[in-house]
Amino acid sequence: DAGVIQSPRHEVTEMGQEVTLRCKPISGHDYLFWYRQTMMRGLELLIYFNNNVPIDDSGMPEDRFSAKMPNASFSTLKIQPSEPRDSAVYFCASSPGLAGIAKNIQYFGAGTRLSVL
Amino acid sequence: AQKVTQAQTEISVVEKEDVTLDCVYETRDTTYYLFWYKQPPSGELVFLIRRNSFDEQNEISGRYSWNFQKSTSSFNFTITASQVVDSAVYFCALSESGGSEKLVFGKGTKLTVNP
Repeated sequence: DAGVIQSPRHEVTEMGQEVTLRCKPISGHDYLFWYRQTMMRGLELLIYFNNNVPIDDSGMPEDRFSAKMPNASFSTLKIQPSEPRDSAVYFCASSPGLAGIAKNIQYFGAGTRLSVL
Repeated sequence: AQKVTQAQTEISVVEKEDVTLDCVYETRDTTYYLFWYKQPPSGELVFLIRRNSFDEQNEISGRYSWNFQKSTSSFNFTITASQVVDSAVYFCALSESGGSEKLVFGKGTKLTVNP
């Protein structure tokens, strides 16, 4: 399997612009997670989905952030409008869920480095 | 509430030294999972190990070993005969039972192995 695929790898945008980050999870994984990593706050869970349904979005910082998972092989994280404080590395991860040998293990994509000027 | 503490922010060693990365966790659950991930300079997060709360056996994988002690709520990671390629940030993480699948990460320990 190709692993979790994120695009773009780098995104530079100006304050006020809309940003869309994309993620393709590992095929067959039931769970998908979005994280944000900053020097100040470390790795923070933003939202996660189970079978395409959002389960917990308590980590989403504010209404400017939204996430969707229209099908089992694709998810987006959107920031509108973007602000300089949103600059961070955003990771997507997927997990096969609670069954099997890889139970609970999350596999991460390479991340998207976002810079908002 | 669940919490993971990695008290060592940065560690610097010389190649071939052994090094131990500390991880202390807090949870009210009796069933939980502990993890270590590696983040090399290239930035990706690489899964290293998962341990469940009922299995306190130490584990060894090549130069890596893990010591899980429920009595002290610790899950420490030792690299034997460190190499320059071990230089990375290492994260300890905790997942409680109940099917939430949420991982709580420590702040990470940056390990630098000098030649």
